[in-house]
Amino acid sequence: AQSVTQPDIHITVSEGASLELRCNYSYGATPYLFWYVQSPGQGLQLLLKYFSGDTLVQGIKGFEAEFKRSQSSFNLRKPSVHWSDAAEYFCAVAAEGANNLFFGTGTRLTVIP
Amino acid sequence: EPEVTQTPSHQVTQMGQEVILRCVPISNHLYFYWYRQILGQKVEFLVSFYNNEISEKSEIFDDQFSVERPDGSNFTLKIRSTKLEDSAMYFCASSVRASGGDEQFFGPGTRLTVL
Repeated sequence: AQSVTQPDIHITVSEGASLELRCNYSYGATPYLFWYVQSPGQGLQLLLKYFSGDTLVQGIKGFEAEFKRSQSSFNLRKPSVHWSDAAEYFCAVAAEGANNLFFGTGTRLTVIP
Repeated sequence: EPEVTQTPSHQVTQMGQEVILRCVPISNHLYFYWYRQILGQKVEFLVSFYNNEISEKSEIFDDQFSVERPDGSNFTLKIRSTKLEDSAMYFCASSVRASGGDEQFFGPGTRLTVL
């Protein structure tokens, strides 16, 4: 069965600093991987996704993620964080052909001015 | 930009009461989903719906839960007899195609509080 682990519950970074949010997945075959962001009072918005091909995926808002099969990881990165990036970030995995997403517990990002 | 909407934003109910959570998916989407997130826990899949029938459901989605698309726009989740442990944020989502690859668009959620 699929599962996702986000080891960091809460991360605080200074505005302008770089960011890396960790995500580890468990799935036997090649997974479909997603990062979603949730701002207060908003729904989950897709930042980026990985299906196959280039392991470095570019997303919206300047985010990128790298799929590393050997480490079962799909970490989210941003070179320079903006105050508006403060939100909850969720990593998710789906099996090929499946309808449901398996989410991690989320990482709350706080940005200090 | 089209978006998924959910009503109400917050629902308070007494244990044992029936609740209906409403969602309006994006109009050209064909697949619909419900997820829930208990406070402090992960977002969990409940059910997916396509062509007027359930296509997949989790073990959470027991006989107390049902879904319906009563007209061409609404997608509802009914909990027949609410329990305290049903208190959670409920998210509706929709996609053009089946997942495993297609982006699911999420609504803002309905916070259900069972007293």
